[in-house]
Amino acid sequence: QVQLQESGPGLVKPSQTLSLTCTVSGGSINSDGYYWSWIRQHPGKGLEWIGYIYYSGTTYYTPSLASRLTISLDTSKNHFSLKLSSVTAADTAVYYCATIGDSDIEYFDYWGQGTLVTVSS
Amino acid sequence: DIQMTQSPSSLSASVGDRVTVPCRASQSISTYLNWYQQKSGRAPKLLIYAASNLQSGVPSRFSGSGSGTDFTLTISSLQPEDSATYYCQQSYSTPLTFGGGTKVEIK
Repeated sequence: QVQLQESGPGLVKPSQTLSLTCTVSGGSINSDGYYWSWIRQHPGKGLEWIGYIYYSGTTYYTPSLASRLTISLDTSKNHFSLKLSSVTAADTAVYYCATIGDSDIEYFDYWGQGTLVTVSS
Repeated sequence: DIQMTQSPSSLSASVGDRVTVPCRASQSISTYLNWYQQKSGRAPKLLIYAASNLQSGVPSRFSGSGSGTDFTLTISSLQPEDSATYYCQQSYSTPLTFGGGTKVEIK
């Protein structure tokens, strides 16, 4: 069974870059057909899909964040990463990594526990 | 973008009740609709995929139905552990989008 674990700073200053890593265990990040995703949840709010990266390295980003966003794979470490630049208080949220194992239906079947990132000086 | 609407945002029911949670898409999404359960402080958990398919390990009291623009998550007999927020998510097109959630509380 795939397990995911987010890691990264819990506090980021405004205008800086938010960087998070999702370490994958119980499966290979090179697995054919898998999408590796990031989703966030603002405090007390609903879920927002950020983007995902296909096992081949192809990325898909939500348009509202695309200009500030980079998602990448590191196959040697079996993890994938998110970088969000020029952050503001509006980027304060719990960030989840998740997998999509079925590229036809695209449901999130495994999730990390989530990590709270606060943007504040 | 496809907008997903969940109304009501909360509902209250008694243990043993049949509960229905609606979800509406702003355009037809066939059956590209998934349901998640999120308990307080926890990550969401997949319940139903492709509108009506029960994820492995999910109790059979959960079921999903619908196609096109209107979908329903049904809990046939509400249990205390079902107190949570339920989200629908469309996977018909990117950007993938979620509904705002329906919080189910136990009376």
